[in-house]
Amino acid sequence: LAKTTQPISMDSYEGQEVNITCSHNNIATNDYITWYQQFPSQGPRFIIQGYKTKVTNEVASLFIPADRKSSTLSLPRVSLSDTAVYYCLVLGGSQGNLIFGKGTKLSVKP
Amino acid sequence: NAGVTQTPKFRILKIGQSMTLQCTQDMNHNYMYWYRQDPGMGLKLIYYSVGAGITDKGEVPNGYNVSRSTTEDFPLRLELAAPSQTSVYFCASSQSPPPPGAGNTIYFGEGSWLTVV
Repeated sequence: LAKTTQPISMDSYEGQEVNITCSHNNIATNDYITWYQQFPSQGPRFIIQGYKTKVTNEVASLFIPADRKSSTLSLPRVSLSDTAVYYCLVLGGSQGNLIFGKGTKLSVKP
Repeated sequence: NAGVTQTPKFRILKIGQSMTLQCTQDMNHNYMYWYRQDPGMGLKLIYYSVGAGITDKGEVPNGYNVSRSTTEDFPLRLELAAPSQTSVYFCASSQSPPPPGAGNTIYFGEGSWLTVV
């Protein structure tokens, strides 16, 4: 599992766009970049996954540059309910030692 | 479709007692995991299993034991409960390696809240 680095915490206000960047310098050719969201007292849930360029779904967008050594999760117009921890994972091959790390704690204020 | 089921949801243990957290999945996933999460902290991997009969240590295995006699079940055993084991425990499963571009491949249970007093 490729090592990832992301900010420990971020603050935002309702209605703003939030961008969380994750670096993964050792990503392998068959790896996919995957983001999970965790609300307090719940298990993580899948948000979005991408391989290259841009992926968009109803929740977020994921931007991946050509070298794939980093990625940016973009949350448009956040609300208080987006307050959560966001985890960046690089998944592809064997997922035995599946370490989530600390994630990025996003706090959205009114 | 049940997914990953954990029991019990809540439990209070006295110091030195033993207990088993149960986890079962019905998706025929080969990989299963146990995590603990302390308040305000990230997920810490305790143990994982890549298939029936195979288990391995994660980041924080001390004080815990696991077994994987079937594909479906992955119980976590606490032998001598200590206050430091007060935490929320999450079981998860996945199919590994995941099909390319499969999207979500890791499924979590709802968590088990354990308090050791």
